[in-house]
Amino acid sequence: DAKTTQPNSMESNEEEPVHLPCNHSTISGTDYIHWYRQLPSQGPEYVIHGLTSNVNNRMASLAIAEDRKSSTLILHRATLRDAAVYYCILRDMRSYNTDKLIFGTGTRLQVFP
Amino acid sequence: DSGVTQTPKHLITATGQRVTLRCSPRSGDLSVYWYQQSLDQGLQFLIQYYNGEERAKGNILERFSAQQFPDLHSELNLSSLELGDSALYFCASSSSHRDQGDTIYFGEGSWLTVV
Repeated sequence: DAKTTQPNSMESNEEEPVHLPCNHSTISGTDYIHWYRQLPSQGPEYVIHGLTSNVNNRMASLAIAEDRKSSTLILHRATLRDAAVYYCILRDMRSYNTDKLIFGTGTRLQVFP
Repeated sequence: DSGVTQTPKHLITATGQRVTLRCSPRSGDLSVYWYQQSLDQGLQFLIQYYNGEERAKGNILERFSAQQFPDLHSELNLSSLELGDSALYFCASSSSHRDQGDTIYFGEGSWLTVV
């Protein structure tokens, strides 16, 4: 399974930008990078995904390194509601018929008022 | 609201019993995935169905089984329950199979407590 590496935890103050890093050195040319977040006792929530180019949506931005071995999820202005565990994932399609998200331990983001 | 509906939201049952968890995918989605999340294991992929057919299996116990029906809803059956099966069970859906650009959306989960 393709692996990602994230810091266990990060902290931010409210209304400040947050940069959540992720390393994925074994990424293949066709792997998309997916980000989800999970609040306590809730289902994982889709945040953003991308292949090569940087991506923006209403929730966040995804900056992908030129060699694609790392990426950064950017929350432009953190709010208290952004406190969650953030997962950086490579969707596993390596084997025939395989299609699954492999969740690691993620980064627990704390946001302080 | 992701559009993925799971029932029941909470369930308490005794060891040795059998339960069925139900999932309705987002309208038009053909793929359904089941995940288990326990405190010590994190989110574990169990099984995936696409348009009624099993497509991928993960760490699913033999006591567990699933199916996807013609109307695309899915059920996860857990039998001979043990204390260690207590967990959050998530269903997720996507419109396609093996499409990296597609998005997988998760439901709110079913809390299973085995006593």
